Parts: sequence; C-alpha cells; structure tokens
Amino acid sequence: SQQGEEDPQALSIQEGENATMNCSYKTSINNLQWYRQNSGRGLVHLILIRSNEREKHSGRLRVTLDTSKKSSSLLITASRAADTASYFCATASYFQGAQKLVFGQGTRLTINP
Amino acid sequence: EAQVTQNPRYLITVTGKKLTVTCSQNMNHEYMSWYRQDPGLGLRQIYYSMNVEVTDKGDVPEGYKVSRKEKRNFPLILESPSPNQTSLYFCASSPLAAYEQYFGPGTRLTVT
Repeated sequence: SQQGEEDPQALSIQEGENATMNCSYKTSINNLQWYRQNSGRGLVHLILIRSNEREKHSGRLRVTLDTSKKSSSLLITASRAADTASYFCATASYFQGAQKLVFGQGTRLTINP
Repeated sequence: EAQVTQNPRYLITVTGKKLTVTCSQNMNHEYMSWYRQDPGLGLRQIYYSMNVEVTDKGDVPEGYKVSRKEKRNFPLILESPSPNQTSLYFCASSPLAAYEQYFGPGTRLTVT
C-alpha cells in the first residue's frame, strides 16, 4: 500500500535555482526519509527526519516535516546539473506489528544548465 | 567498502525458466528486502527479512520466493517467470526496517 505521495511528479528548473519537492502521507509515522535515484541506479539515502523533528539540514538540503498536515518537503538550494535525478520519500511506520518502510512514486527533477 | 551487491545486473529470459537473483551485503545488517520498480508505480516491496530464517511477504509477493540462510545473503527466486515480472529489481539492507536503507545497483530483468 502506498503511503507517501510526492508532488510534483516532475520538476524542471534552471541551474542555480532552488528546487522544492513535497511528500504527503496518510498514517502516523516514526520517521520520514528522502532518497535520490540517478537514472536506472540504486537509491541513495539523503536524509532522515524523525516524527518529533520539524526541520533538518544536510549541506544544500533542507527537509521539513509537519506531522499535523502529514506532509514533508525537500528543498535543494543552489541547484546543480548533478542534482538531476528522481527523488523519493519513504515513510517508516508500524504496520500489523512490524516496522515498515513505504516509498512514494518519486519526483523527477531536471536541472537545466 | 560497505556495499550491497546484486547479480546479475541484466538478465533476459523466457517464460517459465527458473531464475535466481543474488543479493549480498557486507555490513552485518539484520534487515534485507527486495523491491521492484516499474514506471508510474514507484518502488514496491516484494519480500523482506528481519533476520536469518525470518522472511515475510511485502506488497507484491506473488510469483516470488526468497530465503535467508545466512545474514549476508538474500536471494530472490522466480520459479516460473512471466512477462509481467519484467522489471527493475533492487535489493536493500539496513540495521532495522525503519533505518536508512542501503540499495544494490539493481537488476534489470526481461521475461519474454
């Protein structure tokens, strides 16, 4: 069952601009994670934010979490051509007595030089 | 180097011919899982394993089998592949299900 849903599905911006992607989910979570996937390759973990955290930074990445709205956003500042990739959110929650991580469908980000 | 390896990376096969995709991790992780990725459907979990000899179904387990006889290995078995199993497959490992996942490079499977 899908939990996280990313918005937009695709985003194209100019190099140097900021990129914002959003993720909405439906049930209570323990944490929310963001991953990057370069075309056809394995996903790479970017950042994890716990349910009791509201904001987290890592380099040019800024993640926010609003548990009241069940949503998260990923901001990439000063984008570079190398940031071109698909970005996925994944929500960790208990499901039928076990921890489960569910991925959304992703946002395809294109950075134009 | 900490990593998850998968083999083969590419595979073209015919309907009904049994195949195994291997997955191995060198990080002593307890949790391992298999996903398939299809356009427009994102990543869907096939099977996961909390520890040696403990496996459980994910969201799309039909047509697949797994085993976890050793902590480092988690092979995915397709006993009788069908064309609807044509997909990009990823193995992942983690200390626990809710922690950061380490993904393998993927196996692109085509069943004709």
